[in-house]
Amino acid sequence: NAGVMQNPRHLVRRRGQEARLRCSPMKGHSHVYWYRQLPEEGLKFMVYLQKENIIDESGMPKERFSAEFPKEGPSILRIQQVVRGDSAAYFCASSLTSGGSYNEQFFGPGTRLTVL
Amino acid sequence: TQLLEQSPQFLSIQEGENLTVYCNSSSVFSSLQWYRQEPGEGPVLLVTVVTGGEVKKLKRLTFQFGDARKDSSLHITAAQPGDTGLYLCADGSSNTGKLIFGQGTTLQVKP
Repeated sequence: NAGVMQNPRHLVRRRGQEARLRCSPMKGHSHVYWYRQLPEEGLKFMVYLQKENIIDESGMPKERFSAEFPKEGPSILRIQQVVRGDSAAYFCASSLTSGGSYNEQFFGPGTRLTVL
Repeated sequence: TQLLEQSPQFLSIQEGENLTVYCNSSSVFSSLQWYRQEPGEGPVLLVTVVTGGEVKKLKRLTFQFGDARKDSSLHITAAQPGDTGLYLCADGSSNTGKLIFGQGTTLQVKP
């Protein structure tokens, strides 16, 4: 009964490179959420996806960041031309349903991105 | 925008002591979740509360939801070193399902 899986757990990139973070939701879950955690800002929502659809991207930076959740395979959070300020822990969560009172989300272990 | 305030920010206590941490909002929650996060790991869901005045217990942890659904508390009885971590409350009121988190309370329980 695997939980939410994320890889890699740690990722080091130089400024200007691309970072790709992967998330496999819990079995049977079709709702995926990405959050970013910065030490001084806490855990912040970035984007909510269902299979092949972006539902809410209100927390995504307007440039360099994109996310997808294809019909087959994991959800991908992609950061192009990384800068030092992108260094953070990125968490993926999945849920069985969306919205409503019992929207219980289960989190993965996170990917810790360090930009040199 | 819903703002969540958690207090205290930091708490360091001795094993065996009791403690309470708080989560307050500027507006009404439709549901509120409590998570615990250990260093290097993702948040783990502890409980969801939805009804004003609701009380839920999880072993030594007692969660209360305010009558007006604008505040919540987490009480830990006889704290143990294993309770050490970051305690986060999250508002699940959004109709798109996104969670809005408080800044968290960092708890350290010393043996």
